[in-house]
Amino acid sequence: GAGVSQSPSNKVTEKGKDVELRCDPISGHTALYWYRQSLGQGLEFLIYFQGNSAPDKSGLPSDRFSAERTGGSVSTLTIQRTQQEDSAVYLCASSLGPAETQYFGPGTRLLVL
Amino acid sequence: EDQVTQSPEALRLQEGESSSLNCSYTVSGLRGLFWYRQDPGKGPEFLFTLYSAGEEKEKERLKATLTKKESFLHITAPKPEDSATYLCALMSGAGSYQLTFGKGTKLSVIP
Repeated sequence: GAGVSQSPSNKVTEKGKDVELRCDPISGHTALYWYRQSLGQGLEFLIYFQGNSAPDKSGLPSDRFSAERTGGSVSTLTIQRTQQEDSAVYLCASSLGPAETQYFGPGTRLLVL
Repeated sequence: EDQVTQSPEALRLQEGESSSLNCSYTVSGLRGLFWYRQDPGKGPEFLFTLYSAGEEKEKERLKATLTKKESFLHITAPKPEDSATYLCALMSGAGSYQLTFGKGTKLSVIP
């Protein structure tokens, strides 16, 4: 079946611009996660959505980062006023439910010039 | 604080030369330990989940084991197509369900 999809695959933006990254989870998966992978660093948790519950935003690095999940499916991660240190690969994962195996998408490679 | 340390950072093997990758962890109650494989430019691909000490899982040339402090990924008679970065991650029993990842072991298998 179809896996997790993300768009765009690559995004180049200028410092100070806003960007939106999209994630389509596996159909039927109620849990959705965003992670960030910076060069030389491990994957870093950003935010977690479970069904209609309030999201766990404890991993967001600053208030420039926000995310929403509409209709319990598609999610958008927004970064406002991008900085060079935001350059990274942003990965989305979904799972059938909490504590289940997380399946990752291919990622969006963000470069802030 | 939950921590995951993987070693070595990089490993070069000759084709057919078996070896093991190490994942040491500290956690306040383990809900699960996960192994993923990541190829360049791609997202992590799920390999195994281990839930309790003593548990073992196998898939082709890979075997994952778990103790109370470590997990090992054993690679038997590796092939060049096994070259990738192998990631270890844990899910804590406390709080949310996010994964805490190690930095990975980059495996190169030389023909």
